[in-house]
Amino acid sequence: NAGVMQNPRHLVRRRGQEARLRCSPMKGHSHVYWYRQLPEEGLKFMVYLQKENIIDESGMPKERFSAEFPKEGPSILRIQQVVRGDSAAYFCASSSYQETQYFGPGTRLLVL
Amino acid sequence: QKEVEQDPGPLSVPEGAIVSLNCTYSNSAFQYFMWYRQYSRKGPELLMYTYSSGNKEDGRFTAQVDKSSKYISLFIRDSQPSDSATYLCAMSGATNTDKLIFGTGTRLQVFP
Repeated sequence: NAGVMQNPRHLVRRRGQEARLRCSPMKGHSHVYWYRQLPEEGLKFMVYLQKENIIDESGMPKERFSAEFPKEGPSILRIQQVVRGDSAAYFCASSSYQETQYFGPGTRLLVL
Repeated sequence: QKEVEQDPGPLSVPEGAIVSLNCTYSNSAFQYFMWYRQYSRKGPELLMYTYSSGNKEDGRFTAQVDKSSKYISLFIRDSQPSDSATYLCAMSGATNTDKLIFGTGTRLQVFP
């Protein structure tokens, strides 16, 4: 019974490159959430998706960030033209209508 | 004022002590309350999940919610060195699929 899976676990990018983070929800979960954790800070909500739909993107930066959860395959958080301030741990969580959110191990993004 | 306030600690206790962790919040619409444990460089792990006011017990852990005071607590009995981690409170609104609002986390150290 695999939990939430994220890859890669660590990602290094140079300024201006693109970062793609992937998340596969727990079996039976159709809701996916992305959160960001900056050093010494709590988790901040970014976006909530269901299959092929963005439900709430109120925490997403207006530029350079996008997310999708296609009909087939994992959810993807994409950061274009990364800057040093994007360095953080990005966590994906999944849930169903009956359960609360379970988190993956995170992707640690380092922008050089 | 932050929506959720949590003392960052660190909190250092001897093995076997009873630990009390707390959060206050300002949004009276919150209905779902969670506690997560996060070990260093790992993903948050769900410990307790409660709806509305009341108490919930699971092994050595007890969660309390007092909506009239906008105050939630997590008690850990017979604390162990393996409990050393950061404890995050989280809460959400009308449905359990809403985004989670997190406290900044309390770092707990249990020494032998």
